[in-house]
Amino acid sequence: GAGVSQSPSNKVTEKGKDVELRCDPISGHTALYWYRQSLGQGLEFLIYFQGNSAPDKSGLPSDRFSAERTGGSVSTLTIQRTQQEDSAVYLCASSPGQGALTQYFGPGTRLTVL
Amino acid sequence: QQPVQSPQAVILREGEDAVINCSSSKALYSVHWYRQKHGEAPVFLMILLKGGEQKGHEKISASFNEKKQQSSLYLTASQLSYSGTYFCGTEQRNRDDKIIFGKGTRLHILP
Repeated sequence: GAGVSQSPSNKVTEKGKDVELRCDPISGHTALYWYRQSLGQGLEFLIYFQGNSAPDKSGLPSDRFSAERTGGSVSTLTIQRTQQEDSAVYLCASSPGQGALTQYFGPGTRLTVL
Repeated sequence: QQPVQSPQAVILREGEDAVINCSSSKALYSVHWYRQKHGEAPVFLMILLKGGEQKGHEKISASFNEKKQQSSLYLTASQLSYSGTYFCGTEQRNRDDKIIFGKGTRLHILP
């Protein structure tokens, strides 16, 4: 079946602009994660959605970052007033949720802020 | 609390063994291991639940010592395809807790 998809695959923007990154999880997966990976660095947790529970936003680096998950499926990560340090690969992962723990990662969106 | 991985990088010759460690300062519910090849997304290897579980996957196995709050990934008779960055992820409280990943261990296998 279809895996996790993300769009766009690449995004180049100017400093100060807003960007939206999209994640389509695997159908039926209740858990959805956003991670950020800077060049040569590890996976930095950003936000976690689990079913209808309030999202865990503890990893968002500033109030310029926000994320929504509509209808328990598609998620959008929004970065307002982008800064050069926001440049990274943004990875989305989904999981079937409670009772099954494997995360399936999407291909990522490479964001470059000029 | 981000888990700590060691070593940060390993260079091996094909056929040699390696151990990658992952430790946490907090009590752990589970430990997850992923491998990421350059330019690709991380790929799941295995999950270990509390209870001193040990798992194996071909020549890649792992152990989880919940009392010591640490896990080790064992790669035996390494193959060129094992090259990549290995990440451990930890869940602290329960099955619905978020997963926090370590900074990764870069493994390079030489022919």
